[in-house]
Amino acid sequence: SQTIHQWPATLVQPVGSPLSLECTVEGTSNPNLYWYRQAAGRGLQLLFYSVGIGQISSEVPQNLSASRPQDRQFILSSKKLLLSDSGFYLCAWSRWGGSTDTQYFGPGTRLTVL
Amino acid sequence: AQKVTQAQTEISVVEKEDVTLDCVYETRDTTYYLFWYKQPPSGELVFLIRRNSFDEQNEISGRYSWNFQKSTSSFNFTITASQVVDSAVYFCALTITGNQFYFGTGTSLTVIP
Repeated sequence: SQTIHQWPATLVQPVGSPLSLECTVEGTSNPNLYWYRQAAGRGLQLLFYSVGIGQISSEVPQNLSASRPQDRQFILSSKKLLLSDSGFYLCAWSRWGGSTDTQYFGPGTRLTVL
Repeated sequence: AQKVTQAQTEISVVEKEDVTLDCVYETRDTTYYLFWYKQPPSGELVFLIRRNSFDEQNEISGRYSWNFQKSTSSFNFTITASQVVDSAVYFCALTITGNQFYFGTGTSLTVIP
């Protein structure tokens, strides 16, 4: 069966510091991968998605970036965090080629920027 | 443009009551997919159901049931005999391409023992 991991689970960072959140998927090959952000009390916002190694699509311009160095690894980064970057970050995967397939979510990372 | 509306922000029910969560969607595409996810306090989104636009059959899974009506662009979710463990935020979502999911703002359900 497939499993998706995210770490860290929680993170408190000062404004201006760098960020690196990691997501890995087990039990599948060539997954589509997604990063979402959920602000407190609000819905989900798609940040990035990837259909393959090195292929990143950005949905919302901001000071975040994403990378996919390996088939089942997806990284969300920032060089300098802003207060507005606080939120709950969720990684998700879906089957490659299943463009309308279900997205399955990881446990999330709760980021607080102070 | 695609849009999902969950007009109910918060709902409270007493345990064992039935509750319906509303979802209204907008799209001009004839092929689309609808989803419901549950987000318990732990935060992880749990997939509940996927329905394509060509399948209007209602579905029942235990205490959960879904009513898909294209005529009213609605995909409502009913929990029968609610339990405390049903307390969560529930999201309805729509996709055309699969990569872009359009989520509603969620309905927070509290089941009171």
